[in-house]
Amino acid sequence: GNSVTQMEGPVTLSEEAFLTINCTYTATGYPSLFWYVQYPGEGLQLLLKATKADDKGSNKGFEATYRKETTSFHLEKGSVQVSDSAVYFCALGDSWGKLQFGAGTQVVVTP
Amino acid sequence: DTAVSQTPKYLVTQMGNDKSIKCEQNLGHDTMYWYKQDSKKFLKIMFSYNNKELIINETVPNRFSPKSPDKAHLNLHINSLELGDSAVYFCASSEPGHSYEQYFGPGTRLTVT
Repeated sequence: GNSVTQMEGPVTLSEEAFLTINCTYTATGYPSLFWYVQYPGEGLQLLLKATKADDKGSNKGFEATYRKETTSFHLEKGSVQVSDSAVYFCALGDSWGKLQFGAGTQVVVTP
Repeated sequence: DTAVSQTPKYLVTQMGNDKSIKCEQNLGHDTMYWYKQDSKKFLKIMFSYNNKELIINETVPNRFSPKSPDKAHLNLHINSLELGDSAVYFCASSEPGHSYEQYFGPGTRLTVT
């Protein structure tokens, strides 16, 4: 079956540091890949997505590239802010529209 | 305008009780979902409905019964609540298909005592 593995947190960074959260997946077929973000006490919001190999999703300074050869979709941001503190989820969408989530990575950015 | 709304936001109840959580979306989407998020933030899909028809039913105890009176609403009824049902439950909606993003509600924190 499909699965998503992402790096464990918490990841603690200073403001303006570079952030990478690793995400790898196993899937049959050609899934879509997503990064969602959950701020404290809120629901999930889509951060970015990619629907086919070599697509790059980007939003709010975050980027991730759909790499079929390494089955990866790593999230990066060049300079994080305190407001980026949240839990980040990598997810895989199958042909039924079902999302398989990774375990989530908590990111804490300190001033 | 709230896209996906859930009520109540918090629900505290005793073991053995029956409770419902309501979800409404005003995005015109055909597909709606229920997810459970445990204390470690792990998210797992429970059900999905497309235009009032059940299309995904994960291995969930039959004490949980979704009901979709129309495509804008998907309610979750839970019978005989157990301690292990304590979690945050999220409703979501989307257009059908794997490439469409899902829009999540704010969540309902259920605490069973």
